[in-house]
Amino acid sequence: DAGITQSPRHKVTETGTPVTLRCHQTENHRYMYWYRQDPGHGLRLIHYSYGVKDTDKGEVSDGYSVSRSKTEDFLLTLESATSSQTSVYFCAISDPVKSSGKYNEQFFGPGTRLTVL
Amino acid sequence: GQQLNQSPQSMFIQEGEDVSMNCTSSSIFNTWLWYKQDPGEGPVLLIALYKAGELTSNGRLTAQFGITRKDSFLNISASIPSDVGIYFCAGRPSNNNAGNMLTFGGGTRLMVKP
Repeated sequence: DAGITQSPRHKVTETGTPVTLRCHQTENHRYMYWYRQDPGHGLRLIHYSYGVKDTDKGEVSDGYSVSRSKTEDFLLTLESATSSQTSVYFCAISDPVKSSGKYNEQFFGPGTRLTVL
Repeated sequence: GQQLNQSPQSMFIQEGEDVSMNCTSSSIFNTWLWYKQDPGEGPVLLIALYKAGELTSNGRLTAQFGITRKDSFLNISASIPSDVGIYFCAGRPSNNNAGNMLTFGGGTRLMVKP
């Protein structure tokens, strides 16, 4: 069990089309995050969720929306994809509760490579 | 938003060499984390630091939480080829952080000397 999966892993789409990326976790962690990774910019937070139906904006939220209807799934939607949204997208999960004496720090999924033509 | 300055941005290593990298901030953090990212994968947590002055090891990796709480260091001893990748520092601010959010450095890319 991978704990956190992302789908699709790769996607090529055209400018102006809607795109939805899915993050699924089996850890029952409270917090979920979407990041994008671009050369020279490291990891930048797009949106995050601190519970079911509780979401907030991150550093680079323009052009993106999210939804979390259940604990295990966090969806990232690009309503009308643009070439500037070509990137690698990572989902992460965390939980403030300690387990086995350690904090559940942010744990990342494998990423989705999105190309917008 | 606040930024973490991570250096160096990239470096070449030769097998057996020791490697050092650091992260600095203008703000105080109450947690410092170090992640490694292999090509095509997500970052993986290497070391977590929760107290100023704390020194923690994970195999050949050693990280320290700076006394000022504004910096952290990662050292890799006797590097091996599988150490190549991108290393990220991340900090959790000491102010109220409802989203349990982290601030990430820009990464240090380790490559093998040709």
